Parts: sequence; structure tokens; C-alpha cells
Amino acid sequence: DIQMTQSPSAVSASVGDRVTITCRASQAINSWLAWYQQKPGKAPKLLIYAASTLQRGVPSRFSGSGFGTHFTLTISSLQPEDFATYYCQQTDKFPRTFGLGTKLEIK
Amino acid sequence: QVQLVESGGGLVKPGGSLRLSCAASGFSLSDYYMSWIRQAPGKGLEWIANIRSEVDYTDYADFVKGRFTISRDKTKNSLFLQMTGLRAEDTAVYYCAREGITVAGALDYWGQGALVTVSS
Repeated sequence: DIQMTQSPSAVSASVGDRVTITCRASQAINSWLAWYQQKPGKAPKLLIYAASTLQRGVPSRFSGSGFGTHFTLTISSLQPEDFATYYCQQTDKFPRTFGLGTKLEIK
Repeated sequence: QVQLVESGGGLVKPGGSLRLSCAASGFSLSDYYMSWIRQAPGKGLEWIANIRSEVDYTDYADFVKGRFTISRDKTKNSLFLQMTGLRAEDTAVYYCAREGITVAGALDYWGQGALVTVSS
């Protein structure tokens, strides 16, 4: 199975900050990577697919990059509604696997 | 519009069984890969199972193989997860989700989740 390692597990930041979250795959997955945002008590929401393509309706302050085994999610200027937990998921092979998540907290 | 609504969650004793349902609307379930994902209290997301479009080919995470079965009823446009041999560690919110055709296998629509509690 492909293991997904996210870092950091938690990060504190302020409104307006730029934040980057990293996700590494245990083997190459080309661009088969998705990012999700989850708020407490809610289902996850798709932000980015194919490593760098923004899902429609997602603000342009979110961006993704990477290929192979190393990927990043960047939020260019944090807004109050961005404080949530973020997950990466590989969509290359079954079983699909998620990273353990990164909790983005207000500093 | 696309909607997924889970039902069937509840309290079950260790060793017991439960069947979750996911009613889909706004699209045909048989046109998409469909997945179940779970989230234990305070924990991250765990992918459980998938059923492919058109054919009934299924994939499972190792920790549920032989205990859980994913299936669908095309006439009811519904997805199911039959869970047997339940353990305390299966306690979680269970989500059904659609793998979008145009989003490189990502999960573009999710249900609201169904809570399963395994306890004596």
C-alpha cells in the first residue's frame, strides 16, 4: 500500500500569513494527488485534484504543486474561514490512502 | 444537484453486524466509482472500500477485508456497506463519497456521514 506522510501535523498561523503543508508518498504517484479541507463536524471538501488543479469554486489563494513523491499545498494569505484540518490523498492506486492530516490553528 | 445521504448508523455490540446505506441523487451511481471512508473520533480519514462503475469490481483496505462488503443497487441508486464482526476500533463516522470522473479520481461529493458506535 502507498503510505502518505503529511507535515507538519499542526501549524499555528495568523490571518494574512502564507502557509505551506507538505505531503510525501512512499512511492511515485505522478500527479495523482488530491487535497481536502475539513471543518469540525463536517464532511471533507475537495480543494485540489491532480496535484495542482483547483476544484471549481475554491478560492485562488489555494494552490498545489508537486509530482512523483513530494507535494505541497499552499495558502497564500490565510483567511478566517481557512482554519481547518487538511488532508492529502493519493488517487493513483487502490487501496486509496490519506495522510494523517494537518490542523491549521489560529495563532 | 448531486447529493449523497447515509443512513443505518447506530449502536452495535462487539461482534455484531450493521448495514449502512447511501442514497444518491442527481447522478447515476453506476456511472462512477464509489467509496466508503471513515473517521474515528478525533482521528483522521481512513479509506475503506471502493466499487467501480459499471462492473462490480471492489477494493478494500486490509483492515476490513473479509469483514466489510461494499455493494450497490442500481435500481435504487444506492450504495451499501455491510459490516460484520464489528470491533470497538470500528467506531467512527462513515462517509460515502463519489470519485469524480473529471477530477483524477478525487472524491468530489461526500455524504454527511453516519455514526457507528461499537460498544457493549
